[in-house]
Amino acid sequence: AQTVTQSQPEMSVQEAETVTLSCTYDTSENNYYLFWYKQPPSRQMILVIRQEAYKQQNATENRFSVNFQKAAKSFSLKISDSQLGDTAMYFCAFERNNAGNMLTFGGGTRLMVKP
Amino acid sequence: DTGVSQDPRHKITKRGQNVTFRCDPISEHNRLYWYRQTLGQGPEFLTYFQNEAQLEKSRLLSDRFSAERPKGSFSTLEIQRTEQGDSAMYLCASSFLGGVSTDTQYFGPGTRLTVL
Repeated sequence: AQTVTQSQPEMSVQEAETVTLSCTYDTSENNYYLFWYKQPPSRQMILVIRQEAYKQQNATENRFSVNFQKAAKSFSLKISDSQLGDTAMYFCAFERNNAGNMLTFGGGTRLMVKP
Repeated sequence: DTGVSQDPRHKITKRGQNVTFRCDPISEHNRLYWYRQTLGQGPEFLTYFQNEAQLEKSRLLSDRFSAERPKGSFSTLEIQRTEQGDSAMYLCASSFLGGVSTDTQYFGPGTRLTVL
């Protein structure tokens, strides 16, 4: 079974600064996908970024980028130029084999962006 | 294109009552997932469907829980004889599986269940 661990329950960052959220996972699979989802207060979960395990290049989406270290089973999310709207719970998630399987989520990191 | 919708958004019930939730996926999405999220935790997988077939069920899905997707479109999740431990947010997600790669799972707003 896969496990996903987010070791930072809460973090805060000043507006316009950069913050990195950590995620580690455990799996025996070789082919899988990793995701970061954002869940704003009282709003639904939306995808921030995803990474294919077979790709060495780290994924980027505008101000969001990841540092994927496959050997270390580490998948951190960097948010640059933080905005007040980035305040949310962030969940790291794992999907094995990218075959439309279930997601395994970490416990989440609550990020507060301060003005 | 509308997103995933769920109904009701909130449900308060008394212990021992039955409740049913509905999820309408994004049109043409053939996969539909149910997750449960308790306060301050990440979602936990319950079950998923490809079209009308239920392909996998979590051990979390006790025999009091049943899910259906009769025509491969909307899905219902029923909880019989509710217990206080069933209080949680029930999330639905959908995706499209086809061709070379799968699409992302898109989540609905959830149904928050409170069992008194």
